[in-house]
Amino acid sequence: GESVGLHLPTLSVQEGDNSIINCAYSNSASDYFIWYKQESGKGPQFIIDIRSNMDKRQGQRVTVLLNKTVKHLSLQIAATQPGDSAVYFCAESTGFQKLVFGTGTRLLVSP
Amino acid sequence: ETGVTQSPTHLIKTRGQQVTLRCSSQSGHNTVSWYQQALGQGPQFIFQYYREEENGRGNFPPRFSGLQFPNYSSELNVNALELDDSALYLCASSSGRGVNDSPLHFGNGTRLTVT
Repeated sequence: GESVGLHLPTLSVQEGDNSIINCAYSNSASDYFIWYKQESGKGPQFIIDIRSNMDKRQGQRVTVLLNKTVKHLSLQIAATQPGDSAVYFCAESTGFQKLVFGTGTRLLVSP
Repeated sequence: ETGVTQSPTHLIKTRGQQVTLRCSSQSGHNTVSWYQQALGQGPQFIFQYYREEENGRGNFPPRFSGLQFPNYSSELNVNALELDDSALYLCASSSGRGVNDSPLHFGNGTRLTVT
């Protein structure tokens, strides 16, 4: 398959560990944030979103934390599995129509 | 439920040529957005179509144009191709006019190579 990113920041974890992927966003006016997972050869897959009136949101095995004071977003994945290996992007909404994506973090999960 | 489908999956063109990429949106979705993803980078917004009208545009030149059809499928056209146009082109659909209304659901993209 094609390579999504060649020189991305990489987080390497062992299967079963908890993973934390961080993202700094740039626009203090952004009011909506999303995490996407992109596997090699595929398009981004929606994981979880959060609005700026919240600090935390939980999904199945995933939690997103938003710190508006320092413009920081994080994605926590519990009990990481090999199938979680992918590139993870945070994205922010700065307007009505578009998402602005970060550069991505590659997550490598070892058995 | 059928997801977002894009065609073709891969395409090779020569500099100066024109290309048309196609996208079928997810059932029930009336908004289509196009993004360009260069190797090693996050996707960049090209434009969005809502009910057959362009509803927003990113920082791309006019040689990037699009259409949305009554069945909400869409085309991306790029004229006078340049080497830097080589990228993965992603189509995303959603059920709301704004990205805040409902998450974008992406297709697997068309990989365009310009030689």
